[in-house]
Amino acid sequence: QKEVEQNSGPLSVPEGAIASLNCTYSDRVSQSFFWYRQYSGKSPELIMSIYSNGDKEDGRFTAQLNKASQYVSLLIRDSQPSDSATYLCAVKWGAQKLVFGQGTRLTINP
Amino acid sequence: EPEVTQTPSHQVTQMGQEVILRCVPISNHLYFYWYRQILGQKVEFLVSFYNNEISEKSEIFDDQFSVERPDGSNFTLKIRSTKLEDSAMYFCASTTSGDQPQHFGDGTRLSIL
Repeated sequence: QKEVEQNSGPLSVPEGAIASLNCTYSDRVSQSFFWYRQYSGKSPELIMSIYSNGDKEDGRFTAQLNKASQYVSLLIRDSQPSDSATYLCAVKWGAQKLVFGQGTRLTINP
Repeated sequence: EPEVTQTPSHQVTQMGQEVILRCVPISNHLYFYWYRQILGQKVEFLVSFYNNEISEKSEIFDDQFSVERPDGSNFTLKIRSTKLEDSAMYFCASTTSGDQPQHFGDGTRLSIL
């Protein structure tokens, strides 16, 4: 069973719409979850962290966590062309390491 | 805003040669990591380092790899005898504590010829 799974996309969303990105994970004891954005050829850039069940909002971004379903999501409201990137779901696995999904490539169409 | 810095940005090395990748973590961070990303693939954990010792390593991190914190600011990854399959982006990351987000440097692109 894959550890962290994401739909690789591409996901195409019109400018101004809501982009919805999903992630599932297999480790039931994981407690820390992160969304990173990665532009082509660049490093992962932290967007959101979430540790408790429910929603966490930061500007246009909302992270949602459901530990019972082992599911994390990221909503991007009022999508902008500059949001076009690959979004990486990362789960803290055990004491130290992050385990990443393969990423979802998001394209915002003007 | 403080950053993790990595040098060089691009390293080209002949197969079999040793290479050292350098990182300066954020100054008040205590936990340091190396990850790699082969082109088109996902980011993979290599090693974590805390209190001057390796705290966890992956199966990728075999005897050809080593890490060191030679002084109070630098954190290095050494690959002793490079292979073609070591070609990848190598990212250094750091954080204040194990539960806090890890912040990544810009990466070193390693090309093995």
